[in-house]
Amino acid sequence: GAVVSQHPSWVICKSGTSVKIECRSLDFQATTMFWYRQFPKQSLMLMATSNEGSKATYEQGVEKDKFLINHASLTLSTLTVTSAHPEDSSFYICSARDRGCTDTQYFGPGTRLTVL
Amino acid sequence: GDSVTQMEGPVTLSEEAFLTINCTYTATGYPSLFWYVQYPGEGLQLLLKATKADDKGSNKGFEATYRKETTSFHLEKGSVQVSDSAVYFCALSNDYKLSFGAGTTVTVRA
Repeated sequence: GAVVSQHPSWVICKSGTSVKIECRSLDFQATTMFWYRQFPKQSLMLMATSNEGSKATYEQGVEKDKFLINHASLTLSTLTVTSAHPEDSSFYICSARDRGCTDTQYFGPGTRLTVL
Repeated sequence: GDSVTQMEGPVTLSEEAFLTINCTYTATGYPSLFWYVQYPGEGLQLLLKATKADDKGSNKGFEATYRKETTSFHLEKGSVQVSDSAVYFCALSNDYKLSFGAGTTVTVRA
């Protein structure tokens, strides 16, 4: 089946540092990847849609300069949380849409970010 | 805009009990409907999906039927196991974007 990996699975950093999270589709090509944020005991909130080779589209209220997204290839997208602060602590989840399957997204296992 | 409303939890059941989680949606056009499951400490996994009216998605004993007339996609399982304990999310896809319900936490006791 379609597998999406994320790295790292968890990270703890100091306030003010930047953190990069990678999302890879392992056995399929993903023209589109999505980044979500999930707060404890809540649903997923879409942050941005990332298309290979073009700029990401951010949802309303998401700071694009804070959350930098790069989708450099058909199998890799990265999310960089710049100058992280404690309020950025969350569970970040990516998903990838199979190039050949238009409406199904496959999710990564998520990355737990804790900013001290 | 598009939205998904699902039954609030938490739901606690005994093993072999019948499970139903209600899900209704509001959307323009003809969305695809999904159920995702999130086990403790893990990411979301696709449980089942339906792409058009009257389609029935099924997997691992779970079923859901796309009901356009009632805009619903209720999840059912006839006999739950302890291993079914998880958070279940109903979602719809319109124009390739997923909209999720709030999630329902299900705990199955032995």
